[in-house]
Amino acid sequence: DAGVTQSPTHLIKTRGQHVTLRCSPISGHKSVSWYQQVLGQGPQFIFQYYEKEERGRGNFPDRFSARQFPNYSSELNVNALLLGDSALYLCASSRSGDSYNEQFFGPGTRLTVL
Amino acid sequence: EDQVTQSPEALRLQEGESSSLNCSYTVSGLRGLFWYRQDPGKGPEFLFTLYSAGEEKEKERLKATLTKKESFLHITAPKPEDSATYLCAVQATTNAGKSTFGDGTTLTVKP
Repeated sequence: DAGVTQSPTHLIKTRGQHVTLRCSPISGHKSVSWYQQVLGQGPQFIFQYYEKEERGRGNFPDRFSARQFPNYSSELNVNALLLGDSALYLCASSRSGDSYNEQFFGPGTRLTVL
Repeated sequence: EDQVTQSPEALRLQEGESSSLNCSYTVSGLRGLFWYRQDPGKGPEFLFTLYSAGEEKEKERLKATLTKKESFLHITAPKPEDSATYLCAVQATTNAGKSTFGDGTTLTVKP
């Protein structure tokens, strides 16, 4: 079975632009979570979606938004990009929205904002 | 607010030299504690889940243990391929789906 897939793998944007990152969960998994990982730090929670509904939101500004589609894939959108948004964006899938289920991570999207 | 602190930040071992990594946590009701391995430029790879104090899990040269305040990842007779950053994360009963991560311990094993 394929693992979590993310696209694109790398992305370069300039300040003020908008970006859309995509994630496909493991087959059979209905929950997707998004994390931001800055170099040298652990991942920071952004959003969790389960059955197309937002189940949790981290301490990120409203410039960050996400959605989940009927096939359980997900998009993370970031508007008005800042230099500080440069990071590895990770998507994790789990079987359900219950945190007893382990989260499996994708390879990430490396975003560079110039 | 949930917090996770990992120590040491970096650890250098000789091949075969056993050691332990520490993860101290504060959480408003622990639902689960997770250990991941992360190689440079890649996503974290799931290793273990621990749910209650006293629980232990093993996988090859790795063994994870849990108390009410901390978890240890014991590495027995490590090999160079065990070199990676090891991340610890907790999930609280009050915030399903959100994992709070520590900043990791970067392990280097020299042959």
